[in-house]
Amino acid sequence: NAGVMQNPRHLVRRRGQEARLRCSPMKGHSHVYWYRQLPEEGLKFMVYLQKENIIDESGMPKERFSAEFPKEGPSILRIQQVVRGDSAAYFCASSPGFGNQPQHFGDGTRLSIL
Amino acid sequence: DQQVKQNSPSLSVQEGRISILNCDYTNSMFDYFLWYKKYPAEGPTFLISISSIKDKNEDGRFTVFLNKSAKHLSLHIVPSQPGDSAVYFCAASVNAGGTSYGKLTFGQGTILTVHP
Repeated sequence: NAGVMQNPRHLVRRRGQEARLRCSPMKGHSHVYWYRQLPEEGLKFMVYLQKENIIDESGMPKERFSAEFPKEGPSILRIQQVVRGDSAAYFCASSPGFGNQPQHFGDGTRLSIL
Repeated sequence: DQQVKQNSPSLSVQEGRISILNCDYTNSMFDYFLWYKKYPAEGPTFLISISSIKDKNEDGRFTVFLNKSAKHLSLHIVPSQPGDSAVYFCAASVNAGGTSYGKLTFGQGTILTVHP
């Protein structure tokens, strides 16, 4: 999974705190996707971003979750006022955004809520 | 609404034999299909993909077959090796004009165990 960098790899938060997850796409990739994997389930799409634009946020919970991909710097997935149900593995993927090119994934951030 | 389904939670095969992993989908708009392999504590690793204009794509030991009329795809691994033991996910997306951007819809995964 070299190329897509996610940090931190593990994040522990108490209920009510904020969680910030970062993702740097592969070099040359301008499209970023966030997915969430709950225990014993497959990955679920959350949001798709290009630089400075949210293209598709149909999988994002309506409240407490937000994402950005600024002109400079990594993409950020932000979860405010975390609850126990937010505990999951959050994966970021990137693609060049043209042709039939697959998305490539980072190793994820494992979020644990105490 | 599970649009992509992997009905076998697990599969066990002997080293050297063929592994066949199956996947069904319901959304007829899907036109790009992928298989990913995942080890614990790592992200999914892309294995092979197929566009809906094809019915077969091969890459080394991995072959993906697509049956559009049955809305079914399968991954064949020949010969299977112990290092292939992992969780395998199929995924699908809707392309627009041949450009594969857009969200992936994943199946629940199949745990493959290859015994020496």
